[in-house]
Amino acid sequence: ELKVEQNPLFLSMQEGKNYTIYCNYSTTSDRLYWYRQDPGKSLESLFVLLSNGAVKQEGRLMASLDTKARLSTLHITAAVHDLSATYFCAVNRDDKIIFGKGTRLHILP
Amino acid sequence: DADVTQTPRNRITKTGKRIMLECSQTKGHDRMYWYRQDPGLGLRLIYYSFDVKDINKGEISDGYSVSRQAQAKFSLSLESAIPNQTALYFCATSPGPYTVLNRGWQETQYFGPGTRLLVL
Repeated sequence: ELKVEQNPLFLSMQEGKNYTIYCNYSTTSDRLYWYRQDPGKSLESLFVLLSNGAVKQEGRLMASLDTKARLSTLHITAAVHDLSATYFCAVNRDDKIIFGKGTRLHILP
Repeated sequence: DADVTQTPRNRITKTGKRIMLECSQTKGHDRMYWYRQDPGLGLRLIYYSFDVKDINKGEISDGYSVSRQAQAKFSLSLESAIPNQTALYFCATSPGPYTVLNRGWQETQYFGPGTRLLVL
């Protein structure tokens, strides 16, 4: 059974700091997704990672994938308040897309 | 107009009632999904469908049923609602299948706005 674990589940950080969210998964997969959800809103796709060593960047967010370690990271550089949201990773296994519990990120001005 | 729409957006019902949540999409995607979101639990997959004749159970299908009436429509039913089905329900779509040519870049899911369901 595929399990997806994120940590931390809650993160409060100061603006300007760097931090990393981790996503571990339990069985092999070749597709990993990162989503953002603002309070009371739907989910928005951030990244799709397809292969070992894949790295994608958009603004202050950078995602990477290590399929051998079954680990993806979402790195936040010089955080700004607008990045406050809940971030989910999700993994595709046999066409089922299973989500982690999410990391609630609160960035203090 | 939104590409993925859900109706109703909010619903209050009583235990034992039958309720249907509807999802429509104009993206032309073959794949559609239903998830529920509970605080602290993330999203859990209920059912998914890869075309009109294909229905698959997800992680938590008990107490739910679905109907894929057309490529663009995927409905979720609660035959006899119970309070622990109170949650936020999301429909999602994605193109498929994955191919070497598209490299999966389109393969991300596109989510509807959600339906808040309260079962009393």
